Amino acid sequence: NAGVTQTPKFQVLKTGQSMTLQCAQDMNHNSMYWYRQDPGMGLRLIYYSASEGTTDKGEVPNGYNVSRLNKREFSLRLESAAPSQTSVYFCASQLTGNYGYTFGSGTRLTVV
Amino acid sequence: QKEVEQNSGPLSVPEGAIASLNCTYSDRGSQSFFWYRQYSGKSPELIMFIYSNGDKEDGRFTAQLNKASQYVSLLIRDSQPSDSATYLCAVNLGAQKLVFGQGTRLTINP
Repeated sequence: NAGVTQTPKFQVLKTGQSMTLQCAQDMNHNSMYWYRQDPGMGLRLIYYSASEGTTDKGEVPNGYNVSRLNKREFSLRLESAAPSQTSVYFCASQLTGNYGYTFGSGTRLTVV
Repeated sequence: QKEVEQNSGPLSVPEGAIASLNCTYSDRGSQSFFWYRQYSGKSPELIMFIYSNGDKEDGRFTAQLNKASQYVSLLIRDSQPSDSATYLCAVNLGAQKLVFGQGTRLTINP
């Protein structure tokens, strides 16, 4: 039982490059989330998908796009990376609203 | 006022003592409350959840909820060096998604 799987675990990008962070869960959860975590800033919600076929902006959506490909997969795309997007990115899934999240292991992204 | 507030610490506790972590939240309609533990360089891990007023115990951990005062706390008994981590409080503020506090860094001193 893998839980929430994120790829890649580490990535270095040059300013202006694009990339997609992949997330997949095998727990049949309905909701999925993308967070970024920066020192002193806590976890900040980028985008979320309450159910298959829906996506919504979170607290810090600028510079990102998402796709809920199916119930299992929720990807995060950086179209033109900026140094301000250097962060640790976490994907999480949730069965329904009253349950906690299960987090993936994270992606450490550095934009130079 | 932040929706979920925690003292960022660091909180230093001697080994074997009780560590007490506190969290306050703004929305009286909140339904569910969670404590996550995050080791340095790792992802958050759910360790406790509580839905009703009162105490909930799981091993050395006790979560306490007081909806009237809008706070939730986590007690760690017989603290061990392996408990040294950042503890995140998360609250479901009536909507589906959780809101996280900034986290409290806890250090257990041998």
